[in-house]
Amino acid sequence: EVQLVESGGGLVQPGRSLRLSCAASGFTFDDYAMHWVRQAPGKGLEWVSGISWNSGSIGYADSVKGRFTISRDNAKNSLYLQMNSLRAEDTALYYCAKSVSYDILTTFDYWGQGTLVTVSS
Amino acid sequence: QLVLTQSPSASASLGASVKLTCTLSSGHSSYAIAWHQQQPEKGPRYLMKLNSDGSHSKGDGIPDRFSGSSSGAERYLTISSLQSEDEADYYCQTWGTGILFGGGTKLTVL
Repeated sequence: EVQLVESGGGLVQPGRSLRLSCAASGFTFDDYAMHWVRQAPGKGLEWVSGISWNSGSIGYADSVKGRFTISRDNAKNSLYLQMNSLRAEDTALYYCAKSVSYDILTTFDYWGQGTLVTVSS
Repeated sequence: QLVLTQSPSASASLGASVKLTCTLSSGHSSYAIAWHQQQPEKGPRYLMKLNSDGSHSKGDGIPDRFSGSSSGAERYLTISSLQSEDEADYYCQTWGTGILFGGGTKLTVL
């Protein structure tokens, strides 16, 4: 059974940093690209970032480019999102999602339950 | 510019069928999309990938009641024999230079 468990969310002040983690199990982690998708309160889904199976291809939404960094550790079956210079508009539930293939430009077939990030003073 | 357009809301009666629409922006009618379901207070769930020719591949455990079809720039999700648990938000998603979601359709089962 595929499981994606996010952690690391919390309340943080504007301008500060936070690191999210996603622990994956139930599939061969290093065969697939992985993604972060967020959902602001009462809003729709927004893709944040994706990383290919070997970290050779990485993409970011314009809204986070230059502030967020995605990474993965295939030995630990883990995905990460380093979020710097956080803003109020980054407040959202952050989901980890598994790609259907090794590349980032495709869809996701499994989602986690999300971890909540609140940016507020 | 690649854009996905969805109606904000839809409704249908218990046991009936409903067809949700996702429209690709001009010049992008050959793009595949995916449909995802998000029940209240839950994480999203992958339903299917839908190609421009109407062929589709569903996610694990998705009932036969869910099907997809295509016509031109429009991509459809049809849910038959509606059940109460089908009341959810439905998002279409595609990919080009990045990954993009439609605004979502909130389905109410009457």
